Amino acid sequence: GAVVSQHPSRVICKSGTSVKIECRSLDFQATTMFWYRQFPKQSLMLMATSNEGSKATYEQGVEKDKFLINHASLTLSTLTVTSAHPEDSSFYICSARPWRAEGVEQYFGPGTRLTVT
Amino acid sequence: GENVEQHPSTLSVQEGDSAVIKCTYSDSASNYFPWYKQELGKGPQLIIDIRSNVGEKKDQRIAVTLNKTAKHFSLHITETQPEDSAVYFCAASKKNTGNQFYFGTGTSLTVIP
Repeated sequence: GAVVSQHPSRVICKSGTSVKIECRSLDFQATTMFWYRQFPKQSLMLMATSNEGSKATYEQGVEKDKFLINHASLTLSTLTVTSAHPEDSSFYICSARPWRAEGVEQYFGPGTRLTVT
Repeated sequence: GENVEQHPSTLSVQEGDSAVIKCTYSDSASNYFPWYKQELGKGPQLIIDIRSNVGEKKDQRIAVTLNKTAKHFSLHITETQPEDSAVYFCAASKKNTGNQFYFGTGTSLTVIP
């Protein structure tokens, strides 16, 4: 149980293009999904928190116009990196919190490796 | 805000020995402390967690202890195996921040066969 998938697992795109990453909770409904960014050999950096049906809350320093987040259903959230540049190359990981009382756990997806050339 | 520190950053142990990773946190209101294992190129996997109303939790070879007074918690892995080699992250969270997780900086564990 508590499986989270991400698609694609790897993507290479050209500078200036946009890339969409999907995050799905496969066997549970998630009230809240989180998007993280991770640089090599570093910890996870929270980018934004998204709740189903409402606008995402972005962490300080994260450009909301560049990293568009949509949480259209209780099982799907998407992150779109718009006008990608080489500095956006990173490992993007989503997590999902199950919809239940007092639920605080986060289950992570396998991550998406984005390379912008 | 919450600040989580994790030590050591790297740890090498012989197969069969125990490994201990320690984390400290700054916000006494934090009440949930998960541990994640991350293998190279993969997402973090929840391996054990503890809430502030208990002092210890065990799951086979893995245990977590929590000292609320000192604001630190530790991961203990006994009878280590090569497949335990990975990066381990601790985290702390509390309800009134929307349960945002504050992660430690990670410990790279190598189990030497």
